[in-house]
Amino acid sequence: DIVMTQSPDSLAVSLGERATINCKSSQSLLYSSNDKNYLTWYQQKPGQPPKLLIYWASTRESGVPDRFSGSGSGTDFTLTISSLQAEDVAVYYCQQYYTTPLTFGGGTKVEIK
Amino acid sequence: QVQLLESGGGVVQPGRSLRLSCAASGFTFSSHVMHWVRQAPGKGLEWVALISYDGSNKYYADSVKGRFTISRDNSKNTLYLQMNSLRGEDTALYYCARDREMASINHYFDYWGQGTLVTVSS
Repeated sequence: DIVMTQSPDSLAVSLGERATINCKSSQSLLYSSNDKNYLTWYQQKPGQPPKLLIYWASTRESGVPDRFSGSGSGTDFTLTISSLQAEDVAVYYCQQYYTTPLTFGGGTKVEIK
Repeated sequence: QVQLLESGGGVVQPGRSLRLSCAASGFTFSSHVMHWVRQAPGKGLEWVALISYDGSNKYYADSVKGRFTISRDNSKNTLYLQMNSLRGEDTALYYCARDREMASINHYFDYWGQGTLVTVSS
C-alpha cells in the first residue's frame, strides 16, 4: 500500500499570512505515460464532509478560491494557502489515487494564530 | 443539484451485521464509480470500497475485505454497503462519495454525503 505522510500535524497562521502543508508518498505518484501526478487535496471543516480542492496535484476544482494552490511531483507535494482567511480553518487531507487501496494522509489542522 | 443521502447507521453489537444505503440524485448515477469512505470519531479518512459504474468491478480495503460487500442498484440510484462480522474498530461515520470523472479509473471524490454513523459496541 502507498503510505501518505502529512506534515505538520497542525499549524497556526495569522490572518493574511501563508500556510504551507506538506504531503509525502511512499512511492512515486507520477504516471510516466501521461506525466500526471495522482494526488488530490481536500478540506474538511468541523461537522462537514470533505470538500475537493485540488486534483492532479495542481488543478484547482471549480469554485475554489485562487489563494489555494497545489504543487509538487513524484513523492513530495505541497498545498499552499497564500493568504489565510478565517473561513480556511479546517483539516486538510491529501489522497493518492495512483492505485488501490486509495490512501489518505493523516490530516493537517489549520488554525488562526 | 447532486445529492448523496446515507442511511442505515446505528448501534450494533460486535459480530452482528448492518446494511448502509446511499440514495443518489441530481446526476446520472449509472455513469459514476461510487465509494464508501469512513472516518472514526476524531480521526482521519479511510477509504473502504469502490464499485464500478456498472457494478462489475469491486475493490476493498484490506481492513474490511471478506466482511463488507459493496453493491449498487442503478435502477434505484442507490449504493449499498453490507457490513458483516462487525468489530469495534469499524465504529465510524460512513460517507458515500462520487468519482469526479464519469466511468473513470481516476478515483478522487467531488461529492460526498453527510455520512451515517455506525457504532459497534456491546
